[in-house]
Amino acid sequence: KQEVTQIPAALSVPEGENLVLNCSFTDSAIYNLQWFRQDPGKGLTSLLLIQSSQREQTSGRLNASLDKSSGRSTLYIAASQPGDSATYLCAVVNQAGTALIFGKGTTLSVSS
Amino acid sequence: NAGVTQTPKFRVLKTGQSMTLLCAQDMNHEYMYWYRQDPGMGLRLIHYSVGEGTTAKGEVPDGYNVSRLKKQNFLLGLESAAPSQTSVYFCASLRGLARETQYFGPGTRLLVL
Repeated sequence: KQEVTQIPAALSVPEGENLVLNCSFTDSAIYNLQWFRQDPGKGLTSLLLIQSSQREQTSGRLNASLDKSSGRSTLYIAASQPGDSATYLCAVVNQAGTALIFGKGTTLSVSS
Repeated sequence: NAGVTQTPKFRVLKTGQSMTLLCAQDMNHEYMYWYRQDPGMGLRLIHYSVGEGTTAKGEVPDGYNVSRLKKQNFLLGLESAAPSQTSVYFCASLRGLARETQYFGPGTRLLVL
């Protein structure tokens, strides 16, 4: 059974700092891995999607990497801003290719 | 293009009452999903559908039923609500390819007393 773990559960940093969020998964047979952002009381917004054949994806100040062999992904946020404060969720597409399996998320707080 | 919408946004039920949550998408997506999100548990898949007229069980299906009579709608039913079903429910849709991202609705907050 696929399990997704995110470390740390919470992170507080001052504005401007570069940071890394970690995600690990137990079964390397994935279709893709996705990073989402969730603001309090809101739904999920997709940030980055990495196909199983790719090693990284970039969007603005965000860079996500994927190492299938070790079952790990990282989300790098450069020059953090207070507006980046949210919960970041990592998810992998299950073996049947039909649904996402989520980690419990990392709650990020960026102080000005 | 409204994306994925959910009705209602918030509901309070008494134990034993029934209700139906409605999810609608206007993107002509084949796949639709219902998740629940609980503190400390993350999002867990309840049921999903890979096309009109089809449904399948996810990780936590007990106590819920679903129907996909129309491609654009996915209904989640609680026949006899229990306090353990207090949660935030999210609907999502996907065009049908595992290489694409899911689109999520804004969520329905359900409180069962």
